[in-house]
Parts: sequence; C-alpha cells; structure tokens
Amino acid sequence: AQSVTQLDSHVSVSEGTPVLLRCNYSSSYSPSLFWYVQHPNKGLQLLLKYTSAATLVKGINGFEAEFKKSETSFHLTKPSAHMSDAAEYFCVVTQNSGNTPLVFGKGTRLSVIA
Amino acid sequence: DAGVIQSPRHEVTEMGQEVTLRCKPISGHDYLFWYRQTMMRGLELLIYFNNNVPIDDSGMPEDRFSAKMPNASFSTLKIQPSEPRDSAVYFCASRGDPREQFFGPGTRLTVL
Repeated sequence: AQSVTQLDSHVSVSEGTPVLLRCNYSSSYSPSLFWYVQHPNKGLQLLLKYTSAATLVKGINGFEAEFKKSETSFHLTKPSAHMSDAAEYFCVVTQNSGNTPLVFGKGTRLSVIA
Repeated sequence: DAGVIQSPRHEVTEMGQEVTLRCKPISGHDYLFWYRQTMMRGLELLIYFNNNVPIDDSGMPEDRFSAKMPNASFSTLKIQPSEPRDSAVYFCASRGDPREQFFGPGTRLTVL
C-alpha cells in the first residue's frame, strides 16, 4: 500500500523568502514521487519527479525536492518565493515498477504575501 | 503535441439531464485516468484504462456514472441522470513511458 501525507494544509510566506512544503510518504515498494502544482481554476502541472535516480531533483520555476529514504520524505523547496508561486501543491507517490495509479496527498495551499 | 484535450471546458445543466464529458489523451499514451475534484473531497480517481480496457472503476460513485474508451484516442465519462452533488471539476489524464502523467485542463460541471 502507498500513501502520502502533506504535513501542512496551508503555508504562507513573504515574497523573496524560502518556501518549504513538507511531504512524507509510505510505500511497500520502491517509490516514484512527484510534485504537481495547480494554479487557481487550472489543471495540474507536473513540477518535478523522482524515479530512483539522483535524490535531489530539480523542477520547473526554481523548485527542487530531495528524496530522503531514511526519513521517508520528499519535501519541496524554493530559495525565493515569487507571487506567481501562489497555488495548490500536491505530493504524489506511485510504485516505481509496474503501472499503478498515482496516490495524491490532500494538497498544500501556498500563499505568497507581497 | 497539444497535450490532453478535454471538452467541454464548462458545462451547466439541470438536474436529471444526461452529461457527457470527452477526453483525447496524448498520442502514444497507454493509460487514461478520470478524476473528480471538489472542495470537500479533494481529488478522487474515478476510473482508469490501460490500452482502452477499464482496469479499475471502484472510484465511480454510482451506477449513474459510466466511462468508455472505444479507441486509443478518445474516452467519455457519462453521468445519467445528473444531480447537483455531481457538480465538480472533472479531469482526464494520460500516462505513457516514462511514468509521467499529464492532466487535461478539466471540465467544470455545474448541475442546477
């Protein structure tokens, strides 16, 4: 069985300050992990993915995430928040081998204050 | 590629009417997924197909919901009869190799 827990339902940061969105996962198998972003009234866009290669993954718009197996975590970070980063972020897990459906976290809403 | 295409983008209908949502996956992708998103329940997987065959429909809420994939480039999600509680944003997504899943823009359904 697989699951993800996004530890914060809402995170608020000031523009120009670092962003940290926390995600812990549980997986019986070697996992693939993803972060998706959803801007208001838009679809979901893939930010980045981890599929058993490098543990530090770089994505679009300056975001990155680090896979830490010992901590079962896959936190999303960005050094400096921009107003356009305000959105809902979903941490997602699936089985690395085979083709099982994605398992989504409940999402973290990121607010960026000017 | 144009990405996953969904139509219509918005649908407003009255309770009891039949609603058909359409999806064109990315060419070459062999998995297709239908999701529903609401404020209360978040993102829910309704059904998914592999090579046009339904694999798991356990997320379909009731018999009023049905989905088909007659060929590799087209899928429909039908609600009949529709009810106000079906109001939501319905997303279609497709997946190929490597296992990146791409979402369509969604159909916002309002049932009055």
